[in-house]
Amino acid sequence: AQKVTQAQTEISVVEKEDVTLDCVYETRDTTYYLFWYKQPPSGELVFLIRRNSFDEQNEISGRYSWNFQKSTSSFNFTITASQVVDSAVYFCALRNPRDQGGSEKLVFGKGTKLTVNP
Amino acid sequence: ETGVTQTPRHLVMGMTNKKSLKCEQHLGHNAMYWYKQSAKKPLELMFVYNFKEQTENNSVPSRFSPECPNSSHLFLHLHTLQPEDSALYLCASSQVGGDHNEQFFGPGTRLTVL
Repeated sequence: AQKVTQAQTEISVVEKEDVTLDCVYETRDTTYYLFWYKQPPSGELVFLIRRNSFDEQNEISGRYSWNFQKSTSSFNFTITASQVVDSAVYFCALRNPRDQGGSEKLVFGKGTKLTVNP
Repeated sequence: ETGVTQTPRHLVMGMTNKKSLKCEQHLGHNAMYWYKQSAKKPLELMFVYNFKEQTENNSVPSRFSPECPNSSHLFLHLHTLQPEDSALYLCASSQVGGDHNEQFFGPGTRLTVL
């Protein structure tokens, strides 16, 4: 069974602090995809990153970085020098390509609500 | 227009009304999705359409009826809804079959059933 766990329900930080959002996943497959999405108060889910299971390179994009560790089934997301505009709910998701040709289903975690205070 | 658009953004309806939600994607994708996001549950996949064919119905009650006339448009027809159907309904699209398979979401329709 596929499962995504985001153990942190809510996190509150002060602007300029670094913050890491945890994501742990479960899947029996050796090939899969992981994603992070941001949902600001407006409601739209904004795609942030996709990672293939065979690519364990960590990635940095500006103040955002992602640490993919297959050994611990984790795909953590760090925001450096957080800003008020980073306040949102962040979702981690898993997709198994076994569904290719049929349905492509994302399994989402419950999300982590990040509040960055000025 | 860019990305995925949804109309209306907000909808209030009574339990006996019939209404429709509309989604349009401008990304050239071949798959579209309906999700439900309610306050106490994680994102729930409702329906999936690949190349206009419905490939997934995630045990959704028949009071929700999807329609996909072409690969760019997706509708969700609503009738005799219940108050517990109040939620944010999100539409998404993706390109099935390639490496760039991430789903792109619309802004959602905030539905309130009285």
